[in-house]
Amino acid sequence: KQEVTQIPAALSVPEGENLVLNCSFTDSAIYNLQWFRQDPGKGLTSLLLIQSSQREQTSGRLNASLDKSSGRSTLYIAASQPGDSATYLCAPKAAGNKLTFGGGTRVLVKP
Amino acid sequence: NAGVTQTPKFQVLKTGQSMTLQCAQDMNHNSMYWYRQDPGMGLRLIYYSASEGTTDKGEVPNGYNVSRLNKREFSLRLESAAPSQTSVYFCASSAQHERITEAFFGQGTRLTVV
Repeated sequence: KQEVTQIPAALSVPEGENLVLNCSFTDSAIYNLQWFRQDPGKGLTSLLLIQSSQREQTSGRLNASLDKSSGRSTLYIAASQPGDSATYLCAPKAAGNKLTFGGGTRVLVKP
Repeated sequence: NAGVTQTPKFQVLKTGQSMTLQCAQDMNHNSMYWYRQDPGMGLRLIYYSASEGTTDKGEVPNGYNVSRLNKREFSLRLESAAPSQTSVYFCASSAQHERITEAFFGQGTRLTVV
Protein backbone atom coordinates (compact mmCIF):
# COMPACT_ATOMS: atom_id res chain seq x y z
CA LYS A 1 0.00 0.00 0.00
CA GLN A 2 1.35 3.39 -1.01
CA GLU A 3 2.16 5.69 1.93
CA VAL A 4 2.77 9.36 1.19
CA THR A 5 4.39 11.78 3.63
CA GLN A 6 4.73 15.52 3.26
CA ILE A 7 7.19 17.48 5.34
CA PRO A 8 6.89 20.01 6.81
CA ALA A 9 3.20 19.95 7.73
CA ALA A 10 3.19 23.74 7.95
CA LEU A 11 5.51 26.48 6.81
CA SER A 12 5.53 30.24 7.38
CA VAL A 13 7.87 32.49 5.42
CA PRO A 14 8.22 36.19 4.65
CA GLU A 15 7.31 37.34 1.19
CA GLY A 16 10.09 36.91 -1.33
CA GLU A 17 11.63 33.79 0.17
CA ASN A 18 11.81 30.60 -1.85
CA LEU A 19 9.61 27.70 -0.70
CA VAL A 20 10.72 24.07 -0.61
CA LEU A 21 8.01 21.46 -0.07
CA ASN A 22 8.89 17.79 0.27
CA CYS A 23 6.93 14.68 -0.63
CA SER A 24 8.07 11.10 -0.03
CA PHE A 25 6.34 7.90 -1.05
CA THR A 26 6.95 4.24 -0.27
CA ASP A 27 6.06 2.58 -3.61
CA SER A 28 8.56 3.91 -6.14
CA ALA A 29 6.91 2.08 -9.06
CA ILE A 30 4.91 5.14 -10.02
CA TYR A 31 3.86 6.35 -13.46
CA ASN A 32 3.51 10.01 -12.53
CA LEU A 33 3.10 12.41 -9.64
CA GLN A 34 0.81 15.40 -9.37
CA TRP A 35 1.15 18.47 -7.20
CA PHE A 36 -2.05 20.23 -6.19
CA ARG A 37 -2.92 23.46 -4.46
CA GLN A 38 -5.92 23.79 -2.14
CA ASP A 39 -7.21 27.11 -0.88
CA PRO A 40 -9.29 27.15 2.32
CA GLY A 41 -12.80 25.88 1.67
CA LYS A 42 -12.04 25.12 -1.96
CA GLY A 43 -11.28 22.15 -4.16
CA LEU A 44 -7.91 20.96 -5.43
CA THR A 45 -6.25 22.70 -8.35
CA SER A 46 -3.64 20.82 -10.32
CA LEU A 47 -0.31 22.65 -10.44
CA LEU A 48 2.13 20.28 -12.08
CA LEU A 49 2.24 16.73 -13.33
CA ILE A 50 5.65 15.10 -13.56
CA GLN A 51 6.02 11.81 -15.39
CA SER A 52 8.14 8.99 -14.00
CA SER A 53 10.59 9.41 -16.89
CA GLN A 54 11.13 13.08 -16.05
CA ARG A 55 13.48 14.59 -13.49
CA GLU A 56 11.88 18.04 -13.46
CA GLN A 57 8.80 19.94 -14.55
CA THR A 58 8.44 23.71 -14.52
CA SER A 59 5.55 26.13 -14.70
CA GLY A 60 6.30 29.79 -14.07
CA ARG A 61 7.69 30.17 -10.55
CA LEU A 62 6.98 26.52 -9.78
CA ASN A 63 9.45 23.71 -10.29
CA ALA A 64 8.87 20.10 -9.32
CA SER A 65 11.63 17.52 -9.19
CA LEU A 66 11.24 13.77 -9.01
CA ASP A 67 13.68 11.15 -7.76
CA LYS A 68 11.65 8.04 -8.42
CA SER A 69 14.22 5.54 -7.17
CA SER A 70 14.38 7.14 -3.74
CA GLY A 71 10.65 7.87 -3.61
CA ARG A 72 10.91 11.65 -3.36
CA SER A 73 9.52 14.72 -5.03
CA THR A 74 10.15 18.35 -4.19
CA LEU A 75 8.10 21.38 -5.14
CA TYR A 76 10.02 24.65 -5.31
CA ILE A 77 8.18 27.97 -5.40
CA ALA A 78 10.46 30.88 -6.22
CA ALA A 79 10.05 34.39 -4.80
CA SER A 80 6.97 33.57 -2.75
CA GLN A 81 4.01 35.93 -2.64
CA PRO A 82 1.11 36.22 -0.17
CA GLY A 83 -1.11 34.75 -2.88
CA ASP A 84 0.89 31.52 -2.63
CA SER A 85 -0.60 30.92 0.82
CA ALA A 86 -2.49 27.64 0.56
CA THR A 87 -2.13 23.94 1.28
CA TYR A 88 -0.04 21.98 -1.19
CA LEU A 89 -0.64 18.26 -1.73
CA CYS A 90 1.28 15.67 -3.67
CA ALA A 91 -0.23 12.54 -5.18
CA PRO A 92 1.88 9.80 -6.76
CA LYS A 93 0.13 7.48 -9.18
CA ALA A 94 1.14 3.82 -9.23
CA ALA A 95 -0.46 0.87 -11.02
CA GLY A 96 -4.23 0.73 -10.81
CA ASN A 97 -6.56 3.65 -10.88
CA LYS A 98 -6.03 5.21 -7.48
CA LEU A 99 -4.22 8.38 -6.54
CA THR A 100 -2.83 8.39 -3.01
CA PHE A 101 -2.45 11.71 -1.25
CA GLY A 102 -0.06 13.06 1.30
CA GLY A 103 -1.36 15.05 4.26
CA GLY A 104 -0.29 18.31 2.66
CA THR A 105 1.91 21.24 3.62
CA ARG A 106 0.10 24.36 4.80
CA VAL A 107 1.96 27.43 3.59
CA LEU A 108 1.64 30.98 4.89
CA VAL A 109 3.51 33.76 3.12
CA LYS A 110 3.60 36.91 5.22
CA PRO A 111 3.69 40.32 3.51
CA ASN B 1 -15.14 25.26 -18.88
CA ALA B 2 -17.21 23.41 -16.25
CA GLY B 3 -14.74 20.54 -15.56
CA VAL B 4 -16.01 18.56 -12.56
CA THR B 5 -19.26 19.80 -11.02
CA GLN B 6 -20.56 18.67 -7.65
CA THR B 7 -23.97 19.28 -6.13
CA PRO B 8 -24.93 20.30 -3.54
CA LYS B 9 -22.12 22.49 -2.17
CA PHE B 10 -23.43 22.34 1.40
CA GLN B 11 -25.78 19.96 3.19
CA VAL B 12 -26.92 19.33 6.75
CA LEU B 13 -28.50 15.96 7.52
CA LYS B 14 -29.99 14.42 10.60
CA THR B 15 -28.65 11.07 11.74
CA GLY B 16 -30.36 8.30 9.81
CA GLN B 17 -31.37 10.42 6.81
CA SER B 18 -30.26 9.49 3.35
CA MET B 19 -28.94 11.59 0.51
CA THR B 20 -27.12 11.39 -2.78
CA LEU B 21 -24.17 13.54 -3.76
CA GLN B 22 -24.05 14.23 -7.47
CA CYS B 23 -20.98 14.58 -9.65
CA ALA B 24 -20.66 15.23 -13.35
CA GLN B 25 -17.66 15.83 -15.60
CA ASP B 26 -17.60 17.16 -19.13
CA MET B 27 -14.03 16.15 -20.05
CA ASN B 28 -14.91 12.71 -21.45
CA HIS B 29 -12.82 11.01 -18.76
CA ASN B 30 -13.16 7.29 -18.17
CA SER B 31 -12.23 7.25 -14.48
CA MET B 32 -14.05 8.96 -11.65
CA TYR B 33 -13.49 9.01 -7.88
CA TRP B 34 -15.05 9.97 -4.59
CA TYR B 35 -12.81 11.15 -1.76
CA ARG B 36 -13.50 12.45 1.70
CA GLN B 37 -11.27 14.97 3.44
CA ASP B 38 -11.07 15.20 7.21
CA PRO B 39 -8.75 17.28 9.41
CA GLY B 40 -5.63 15.30 10.23
CA MET B 41 -6.65 12.43 7.92
CA GLY B 42 -6.01 13.93 4.53
CA LEU B 43 -7.86 12.78 1.44
CA ARG B 44 -9.11 9.20 1.57
CA LEU B 45 -10.61 7.32 -1.35
CA ILE B 46 -14.16 6.07 -0.82
CA TYR B 47 -14.98 4.51 -4.21
CA TYR B 48 -13.75 4.81 -7.74
CA SER B 49 -14.96 3.88 -11.19
CA ALA B 50 -12.41 2.96 -13.83
CA SER B 51 -14.99 3.10 -16.60
CA GLU B 52 -18.71 3.30 -17.20
CA GLY B 53 -20.41 0.30 -15.61
CA THR B 54 -17.61 -0.54 -13.15
CA THR B 55 -17.06 0.52 -9.55
CA ASP B 56 -14.55 -0.53 -6.91
CA LYS B 57 -14.11 0.07 -3.21
CA GLY B 58 -11.43 2.40 -1.99
CA GLU B 59 -9.96 2.84 1.46
CA VAL B 60 -13.13 3.82 3.38
CA PRO B 61 -16.24 2.45 1.58
CA ASN B 62 -18.36 1.47 4.58
CA GLY B 63 -21.63 3.37 4.81
CA TYR B 64 -21.56 4.48 1.17
CA ASN B 65 -22.81 3.27 -2.18
CA VAL B 66 -22.04 4.59 -5.64
CA SER B 67 -23.55 4.56 -9.08
CA ARG B 68 -21.79 5.24 -12.35
CA LEU B 69 -24.86 6.32 -14.21
CA ASN B 70 -23.08 6.98 -17.50
CA LYS B 71 -19.65 8.20 -18.56
CA ARG B 72 -20.35 11.73 -17.26
CA GLU B 73 -21.97 11.05 -13.90
CA PHE B 74 -20.85 9.33 -10.72
CA SER B 75 -23.04 9.62 -7.63
CA LEU B 76 -22.35 8.83 -3.98
CA ARG B 77 -25.19 7.75 -1.71
CA LEU B 78 -25.39 7.73 2.05
CA GLU B 79 -28.22 5.37 2.98
CA SER B 80 -28.33 6.16 6.70
CA ALA B 81 -26.13 9.11 7.59
CA ALA B 82 -24.03 9.02 10.75
CA PRO B 83 -22.14 11.84 12.50
CA SER B 84 -18.87 10.10 11.52
CA GLN B 85 -19.74 10.90 7.91
CA THR B 86 -19.46 14.63 8.57
CA SER B 87 -16.75 15.61 6.12
CA VAL B 88 -15.92 17.39 2.91
CA TYR B 89 -16.52 15.17 -0.09
CA PHE B 90 -14.64 15.61 -3.35
CA CYS B 91 -15.37 14.08 -6.69
CA ALA B 92 -12.58 13.76 -9.24
CA SER B 93 -12.12 12.48 -12.74
CA SER B 94 -8.99 11.53 -14.59
CA ALA B 95 -7.61 11.25 -18.05
CA GLN B 96 -5.19 8.46 -18.79
CA HIS B 97 -2.75 8.34 -21.66
CA GLU B 98 -0.04 5.68 -21.84
CA ARG B 99 -0.21 5.06 -18.08
CA ILE B 100 -0.01 8.77 -17.27
CA THR B 101 -3.02 9.81 -15.20
CA GLU B 102 -3.97 13.42 -14.59
CA ALA B 103 -6.76 14.09 -12.11
CA PHE B 104 -9.15 17.01 -11.85
CA PHE B 105 -11.29 17.82 -8.84
CA GLY B 106 -14.65 19.38 -8.12
CA GLN B 107 -15.15 22.12 -5.56
CA GLY B 108 -16.42 19.81 -2.86
CA THR B 109 -19.58 19.15 -0.85
CA ARG B 110 -19.51 20.09 2.81
CA LEU B 111 -21.71 17.64 4.67
CA THR B 112 -22.66 17.91 8.33
CA VAL B 113 -24.57 15.11 10.03
CA VAL B 114 -26.18 16.10 13.32
